[in-house]
Amino acid sequence: GQNIDQPTEMTATEGAIVQINCTYQTSGFNGLFWYQQHAGEAPTFLSYNVLDGLEEKGRFSSFLSRSKGYSYLLLKELQMKDSASYLCAVRSFTGNQFYFGTGTSLTVIP
Amino acid sequence: NAGVTQTPKFQVLKTGQSMTLQCAQDMNHEYMSWYRQDPGMGLRLIHYSVGAGITDQGEVPNGYNVSRSTTEDFPLRLLSAAPSQTSVYFCASALVGRTEAFFGQGTRLTVV
Repeated sequence: GQNIDQPTEMTATEGAIVQINCTYQTSGFNGLFWYQQHAGEAPTFLSYNVLDGLEEKGRFSSFLSRSKGYSYLLLKELQMKDSASYLCAVRSFTGNQFYFGTGTSLTVIP
Repeated sequence: NAGVTQTPKFQVLKTGQSMTLQCAQDMNHEYMSWYRQDPGMGLRLIHYSVGAGITDQGEVPNGYNVSRSTTEDFPLRLLSAAPSQTSVYFCASALVGRTEAFFGQGTRLTVV
């Protein structure tokens, strides 16, 4: 089965750095994925990790520790447009399904 | 490049009516799936498929049917709509393996 946990809401200041955590328990792991979803829109892919360590893509970075069942998404130099929901997802090795957490709603304030 | 296309974007149904939500992708993805998204519940997997002729149930399959006759299309059928099926539905596709999923623009369904 899958159990994916992430905080419900976070608030951060424009220009600052924010870290969104995700913990998971899964039977069969084939990657940890982060998506961004603005209100009323579809999720869009941000980053993924298969091996332990940090993956950097511009202002966004994602970290994975498979032994701890833990990941985080790091957003640097926050902009107002970063206000959105951030979804953590785990892909199953056996059936290829993606399972999502409930999402973290990030509000960026001036 | 169209990606994942869902139709319709909005739909209102009466309780007991049936309808089909359409999903098509042009990326030759083996994996296709349907999710529903409700406030506070995140994306919940309804059904998924890893190829033509192969479908399987996800976390919340009751009340929904799917079929996969071609690689491109993965329709979701509601046989007898209920108010509890009021939600936003997303179709997603991906290559099999360690790759990301791509989402359609969603269908906002209201059952009255």
